[in-house]
Amino acid sequence: KAGVTQTPRYLIKTRGQQVTLSCSPISGHRSVSWYQQTPGQGLQFLFEYFSETQRNKGNFPGRFSGRQFSNSRSEMNVSTLELGDSALYLCASSLNQGPYGYTFGSGTRLTVV
Amino acid sequence: QQQVKQSPQSLIVQKGGIPIINCAYENTAFDYFPWYQQFPGKGPALLIAIRPDVSEKKEGRFTISFNKSAKQFSLHIMDSQPGDSATYFCAASRPSGNTPLVFGKGTRLSVIA
Repeated sequence: KAGVTQTPRYLIKTRGQQVTLSCSPISGHRSVSWYQQTPGQGLQFLFEYFSETQRNKGNFPGRFSGRQFSNSRSEMNVSTLELGDSALYLCASSLNQGPYGYTFGSGTRLTVV
Repeated sequence: QQQVKQSPQSLIVQKGGIPIINCAYENTAFDYFPWYQQFPGKGPALLIAIRPDVSEKKEGRFTISFNKSAKQFSLHIMDSQPGDSATYFCAASRPSGNTPLVFGKGTRLSVIA
């Protein structure tokens, strides 16, 4: 079966711009979680969506937001980009709410210049 | 209380050796401890996970040892192969408490022939 698909794979944006990343979960998976991965901070939790509702949120500023659609696909948005937002953004899907059986996508590499 | 400390940062072993990666956690409420393997350009992939009611779990060449009283758990890779060269992450969570995965900072493993 198809894995978790994240688009685009690579993105270069300028400071102050906004960006939208997309995640299509494994078919049948209803939960999507987003993580930011950087060399310095490692993997940090952004938020989790289940049945179109945000169920959990990490310690990131309000510039980071997300949503989930009725087909479980999810998007995350970062507004007013800063250089420090450069990172690999990973989404993970699971059958139900919570981290059991997380399957990660290959990520979107965002570079802010 | 939410930290997971992982060591070592990097590890080099000979083919056939048994690399051991250690993690320590602080939050005694954590009750789900997975290990992930990440290759360059890919997202983390779930290797093996353990709950605190058992002290050891084996899946193929991968073994988790768990010490609840010391709040530590470790990953052992038996008969390591060059194809095992990757970054390994431990994580912890309390799914029933809606706690997302908290990841260690990762260990870069190199298995040399």
